Amino acid sequence: GQNIDQPTEMTATEGAIVQINCTYQTSGFNGLFWYQQHAGEAPTFLSYNVLDGLEEKGRFSSFLSRSKGYSYLLLKELQMKDSASYLCAVKDSNYQLIWGAGTKLIIKP
Amino acid sequence: DADVTQTPRNRITKTGKRIMLECSQTKGHDRMYWYRQDPGLGLRLIYYSFDVKDINKGEISDGYSVSRQAQAKFSLSLESAIPNQTALYFCATSDPEQENTGELFFGEGSRLTVL
Repeated sequence: GQNIDQPTEMTATEGAIVQINCTYQTSGFNGLFWYQQHAGEAPTFLSYNVLDGLEEKGRFSSFLSRSKGYSYLLLKELQMKDSASYLCAVKDSNYQLIWGAGTKLIIKP
Repeated sequence: DADVTQTPRNRITKTGKRIMLECSQTKGHDRMYWYRQDPGLGLRLIYYSFDVKDINKGEISDGYSVSRQAQAKFSLSLESAIPNQTALYFCATSDPEQENTGELFFGEGSRLTVL
């Protein structure tokens, strides 16, 4: 079966750095996505990786290793507004998105 | 105004009732999707449509039906609602011209409670 694993919940301090990991086992791979979802709101797109390596976008970076079936989302200079769930999703060989359950990130002052 | 609009935003209904969730979009995208989200689970695809004449079942289509009335409108129906269909439902769109990123644009969600 297809599976996306990410931690259920993480806590970090305002101003610090946090890394949210995602491991996947899917039938084929056509890209990995990270979305942010604030409580009660719609998910919004953060990043896309299809090749190995690091993609940086402001305070957020996303890393991919296809050989390891692994990605992480790195958030720097954490702000209280970064408190949200972070969803990892992989596009499989049929170009269907397989979603992880999400990681709830709690930021403390 | 939101580019992807869902109605109703909240609905409480009883077992056996027919429910329709509506989605309209102003993004001009051909591709539209219906997902449900449950606590502790990832988003699960119910149905998707790549154009007005195209309807496809997703991972969990049983108990649901859809209608693509126009490029901009995609409705989800529960013919006879049951309690385990209580969930948060999202409509989403994507642009095939940007298929290399596959970014989805989500509506604000419809919270359905079936008693």
